[in-house]
Amino acid sequence: KAGVTQTPRYLIKTRGQQVTLSCSPISGHRSVSWYQQTPGQGLQFLFEYFSETQRNKGNFPGRFSGRQFSNSRSEMNVSTLELGDSALYLCASAAQVEETQYFGPGTRLLVL
Amino acid sequence: ELKVEQNPLFLSMQEGKNYTIYCNYSTTSDRLYWYRQDPGKSLESLFVLLSNGAVKQEGRLMASLDTKARLSTLHITAAVHDLSATYFCAVEGTGTASKLTFGTGTRLQVTL
Repeated sequence: KAGVTQTPRYLIKTRGQQVTLSCSPISGHRSVSWYQQTPGQGLQFLFEYFSETQRNKGNFPGRFSGRQFSNSRSEMNVSTLELGDSALYLCASAAQVEETQYFGPGTRLLVL
Repeated sequence: ELKVEQNPLFLSMQEGKNYTIYCNYSTTSDRLYWYRQDPGKSLESLFVLLSNGAVKQEGRLMASLDTKARLSTLHITAAVHDLSATYFCAVEGTGTASKLTFGTGTRLQVTL
């Protein structure tokens, strides 16, 4: 069974731009979560979607948004990029809520 | 707010030695996970612990959970170089399914 896939793997943007990251969960998984990993703040929860509905949201500004499609694929969008948004963005999927989350390879975003 | 503390942050140990990584959390939890991350890579699921007294073992790694003490341990037996990685514990708080709060991580370096 294929794992979680994320595209693109690497991205360079400049301040003020916006970016969209994509995540395809493991086949059959309906829950998709997003995390940000930085050296300073560690791993932080962004949001979680299940059956196209956002169920949980972390403490991030409104510039961070996401959505989930009917095929469970998810996208996250960051608008008006700031230098501090440079991070590894990880997507995780689970078959159901309250089951083990399996992580994708991540998208490494660099904001210049 | 759920807080997760891990110690030590960095652990250098010789091959063949035993050691324990500790994970404390601040509020009631539904489940606790251990993940491994190699440099530049994503997170690999190691264990999920669901109930008080749960113990799981895989190879040289053994994880346990004491919900009354809000403490989980990851014990490494007879370490080998291949275990060098960063280990994270992550806690799913009660009522916040699929929202993982991560510890700071323990960077393990096993030397020959």
